[in-house]
Amino acid sequence: NAGVTQTPKFRILKIGQSMTLQCTQDMNHNYMYWYRQDPGMGLKLIYYSVGAGITDKGEVPNGYNVSRSTTEDFPLRLELAAPSQTSVYFCASRSGTGKVSPLHFGNGTRLTVT
Amino acid sequence: KNEVEQSPQNLTAQEGEFITINCSYSVGISALHWLQQHPGGGIVSLFMLSSGKKKHGRLIATINIQEKHSSLHITASHPRDSAVYICALLTQGGSEKLVFGKGTKLTVNP
Repeated sequence: NAGVTQTPKFRILKIGQSMTLQCTQDMNHNYMYWYRQDPGMGLKLIYYSVGAGITDKGEVPNGYNVSRSTTEDFPLRLELAAPSQTSVYFCASRSGTGKVSPLHFGNGTRLTVT
Repeated sequence: KNEVEQSPQNLTAQEGEFITINCSYSVGISALHWLQQHPGGGIVSLFMLSSGKKKHGRLIATINIQEKHSSLHITASHPRDSAVYICALLTQGGSEKLVFGKGTKLTVNP
């Protein structure tokens, strides 16, 4: 199993550009998450999904959109990129069977908006 | 007040030392995760706890639900243990919104 795969690993965007961060998992997990990590801060939840067709906002959803058309894929869309969105983005998943199931993280996407 | 506090923020140890990292929280939880983030950035789940104690190799995690406190211990520390250790809470109420600590940066010198 590949686990959680994120692409790209690095990206530089100009202000106002758009992009999609890809996330796919091959573990048949129901729960998927997008987090951002800013220097010196804890991970913040952007959006999450409890299954295909179901998404919900996290703590910091503004400026982002998600979709979950399949169990495997959970892309994160940035529209009109802003410098405040410069961060490291992590996708994660867990099985969701019971409360205590481990989180599996992707390797992260380092995004710079200039 | 943050819902989760980790201490210390930074920790430097000599190889072989016993390490303790603490996580205190102020809310009811369903479970607590300990995560390890390597210098390269990848995050790995070490433990999930809802009660008691768990051990995996040289790592031990404990949780005291009444005192709202968890500890991560590393025995016989090694330079490859150098990483940021993060505790994350799954709060009660069925929410999926994990609350993360800011992490403890551990450096183990040879």
